[in-house]
Amino acid sequence: EVQLVQSGAEVRKPGESLKISCKGSGYNFAKNWIGWVRQMPGKGLEWMGIIYPGDSDTRNSPSFQGQVTMSVDKSINTAYLQWSSLTASDTATYYCARHRDLGVQRSFDVWGQGTIVTVSS
Amino acid sequence: DIQMTQSPSSLSASVGARVTITCRAGQSISTYLNWYQQQPGKAPKLLIYAASSLQSGVPSRFSGSGSGTHFTLTITGLQPEDSATYHCQQSFDTPHTFGQGTKLEIK
Repeated sequence: EVQLVQSGAEVRKPGESLKISCKGSGYNFAKNWIGWVRQMPGKGLEWMGIIYPGDSDTRNSPSFQGQVTMSVDKSINTAYLQWSSLTASDTATYYCARHRDLGVQRSFDVWGQGTIVTVSS
Repeated sequence: DIQMTQSPSSLSASVGARVTITCRAGQSISTYLNWYQQQPGKAPKLLIYAASSLQSGVPSRFSGSGSGTHFTLTITGLQPEDSATYHCQQSFDTPHTFGQGTKLEIK
């Protein structure tokens, strides 16, 4: 079964750092892009970016450029999203998803369960 | 960024009804359009990719159409489990932006 399993909920104070994870299984992790999507409380989905585990090539949304860092460790089939200094506006649920890029089929076809990040003093 | 606009923002319909949700792109995106369903408290789920292709395992009452800038998601024969928020997404150019979502309530 193709699966993405994300790390658990986190609570941090403003200014603290954080790294959340997304572990893939059941498919060739290195050969499929992984994306990150933010959903702030009560709001819609926001595309943050995608990363290719094979060579760590990334495509970032300008809205998130410089705010977060995507990385991968393909040896353990795990992608990461990290912040160096959190703010209250980072409070959201973060989803990872497998990005399929097969010609005209270019979509997030498998999703993780989401990681809730709460930033509060 | 390509702007995606969905309408309506919310709607209510009865079991067995037919509903249509519209998504418009700010520029032509060919058929690089996906639809996702998100039930309360859950991760989104891919329903339709490439504007009209049904994802494996998705019931055939869901269908998509359109190209260029105008797209629709149609649900024929609504079921109680279809109560959810539906999101469109363009994958023509990065960032692959989403619409603001349409919340569907089953009466």
